[in-house]
Amino acid sequence: AQKVTQAQTEISVVEKEDVTLDCVYETRDTTYYLFWYKQPPSGELVFLIRRNSFDEQNEISGRYSWNFQKSTSSFNFTITASQVVDSAVYFCALSDPNTGGFKTIFGAGTRLFVKA
Amino acid sequence: GAVVSQHPSWVICKSGTSVKIECRSLDFQATTMFWYRQFPKQSLMLMATSNEGSKATYEQGVEKDKFLINHASLTLSTLTVTSAHPEDSSFYICSARDLWGAENQPQHFGDGTRLSIL
Repeated sequence: AQKVTQAQTEISVVEKEDVTLDCVYETRDTTYYLFWYKQPPSGELVFLIRRNSFDEQNEISGRYSWNFQKSTSSFNFTITASQVVDSAVYFCALSDPNTGGFKTIFGAGTRLFVKA
Repeated sequence: GAVVSQHPSWVICKSGTSVKIECRSLDFQATTMFWYRQFPKQSLMLMATSNEGSKATYEQGVEKDKFLINHASLTLSTLTVTSAHPEDSSFYICSARDLWGAENQPQHFGDGTRLSIL
């Protein structure tokens, strides 16, 4: 069975602090894809990043960075110098190509509050 | 970039009404679309996988007769909540995969439909 765990329900930081959102996943497949999405209060899902299971290279995009470690089945997301606009719910997700249609399973989400 | 249009954005209706939500891929073909439901402060729960030209595949616990899914073309899937009741009030989100996209092409999500049943 596949599972995505985001243990942090809510995180509150002060602007300019760095914050890391944790994601741990479970799958028996050797080929899979991991994603992070942002959901602001307006509700739409904003795609942030995808990673395939064969690419463990970490990635940095502006203030965002991702650390993928297969050994610990983790795909953590760090926001550097957080801003109030970063306040949102962040979802980690797992997609399995062996499941018809690349069904995607979402974690419970982490609600991030960034205070000015 | 790829866009998925979901309509309507908001629906408020009386209990017992049937409500249809549309999900359209605007600039790509989607053989597979997904329907999710999200209750307040909860995660997205997959309801069903919609396959063009065939029956939808429902997740365990989702009533097929309650949530009718039709995927009649490569660009349109519809979700009909039949005889809706207050407990069906939720945020419904669709997504679509690009038929010709790369294997790790992300799903393209619609902006969601807020359904409120009075």
